[in-house]
Amino acid sequence: QKEVEQNSGPLSVPEGAIASLNCTYSDRVSQSFFWYRQYSGKSPELIMSIYSNGDKEDGRFTAQLNKASQYVSLLIRDSQPSDSATYLCAVPLLRRANSKLTFGKGITLSVRP
Amino acid sequence: DVKVTQSSRYLVKRTGEKVFLECVQDMDHENMFWYRQDPGLGLRLIYFSYDVKMKEKGDIPEGYSVSREKKERFSLILESASTNQTSMYLCASSRAPVGQYFGPGTRLTVL
Repeated sequence: QKEVEQNSGPLSVPEGAIASLNCTYSDRVSQSFFWYRQYSGKSPELIMSIYSNGDKEDGRFTAQLNKASQYVSLLIRDSQPSDSATYLCAVPLLRRANSKLTFGKGITLSVRP
Repeated sequence: DVKVTQSSRYLVKRTGEKVFLECVQDMDHENMFWYRQDPGLGLRLIYFSYDVKMKEKGDIPEGYSVSREKKERFSLILESASTNQTSMYLCASSRAPVGQYFGPGTRLTVL
């Protein structure tokens, strides 16, 4: 199993819809989880962090964590064309120390006007 | 706001040249990282440092070295640039347990 795996894309949704981005990870003891947004030609930008089971909401973004299933997701409500980007999931796999993150390959989201 | 800056946005070098990429962060973070990002391969960790003068190899250290003489500055060195090192290079910094903050990136082309 890959250490951090994101479901294959690209993902296309109409403007105003909910976009659901999923990520699974292999290390059962991981404690923190991050979502990054990367626009084409730009560097990744940290948009969400989640540390405990359940949901964390920030504006139109909701991160959901299920440690038992080793699953973290990002929901984007009322998707806008400006949300079109690649979204990277990142997990510090604890067999690697000192805040090293393992990144998924990313999923590209396209929001159709 | 965290600010991570990189010395160049675009760089063109010739095969065999020694290349220096510099990264500076202003948030007193102890951890700093160098990645390269290539289409289809995602982000790959080259080296990281968790303290001044400390360094640890990442997943793809071959052909690279690093230097961290001051806490805020982390340099990546390509000893003898090759065409397969053409890539986007990204620097990041963090303080555990929060996530990493990235600089704007340097797009390096080796001819």
